[in-house]
Amino acid sequence: KNQVEQSPQSLIILEGKNCTLQCNYTVSPFSNLRWYKQDTGRGPVSLTIMTFSENTKSNGRYTATLDADTKQSSLHITASQLSDSASYICVGEGGATNKLIFGTGTLLAVQP
Amino acid sequence: NAGVTQTPKFRVLKTGQSMTLLCAQDMNHEYMYWYRQDPGMGLRLIHYSVGEGTTAKGEVPDGYNVSRLKKQNFLLGLESAAPSQTSVYFCASNPTGSYGYTFGSGTRLTVV
Repeated sequence: KNQVEQSPQSLIILEGKNCTLQCNYTVSPFSNLRWYKQDTGRGPVSLTIMTFSENTKSNGRYTATLDADTKQSSLHITASQLSDSASYICVGEGGATNKLIFGTGTLLAVQP
Repeated sequence: NAGVTQTPKFRVLKTGQSMTLLCAQDMNHEYMYWYRQDPGMGLRLIHYSVGEGTTAKGEVPDGYNVSRLKKQNFLLGLESAAPSQTSVYFCASNPTGSYGYTFGSGTRLTVV
């Protein structure tokens, strides 16, 4: 069964600190791995997209890594800001119909 | 450029009532999607369309119908609402069926 699992479910950090979110995926055939940011009451917004041949991609203070062998990805946030408070969703694209398979998200709270 | 606009933003229905959710995009995208987001679960695909006049079932299509009479609009209908359809509904569009998903801000529907 195609699925995406994320950890931790929630995380609280202090402003200015770094953090890393984890994602394990089982998607076959695999097309790409995405990270989205979803602010409360808003739709998801794309942060990064990586194919199996890419092992790292950055978008400002966000850096995603991908290990296609272990089927793991991580999202590292550097020097967190209050505006980083959101749910971060890992998404695999693939499967028989090449659709998006969403994780349940990690809820990040950045406190001053 | 508004992107993807969903109406209404909030709605409360009684069991058995019907309603239509409207999704409009102004990016000339071919592909459009309806997802639902429930607590503790990732977004799940309800129905999608690969172009004007086409529709197809997603992962959880039961109890919903869709229409794509115009390229820019994708309608999601509930013929007889049930409490299990209480959810947040997101519309998304995509130019190619893969990269470049744009999500709307969501419709929060409560069925009592």
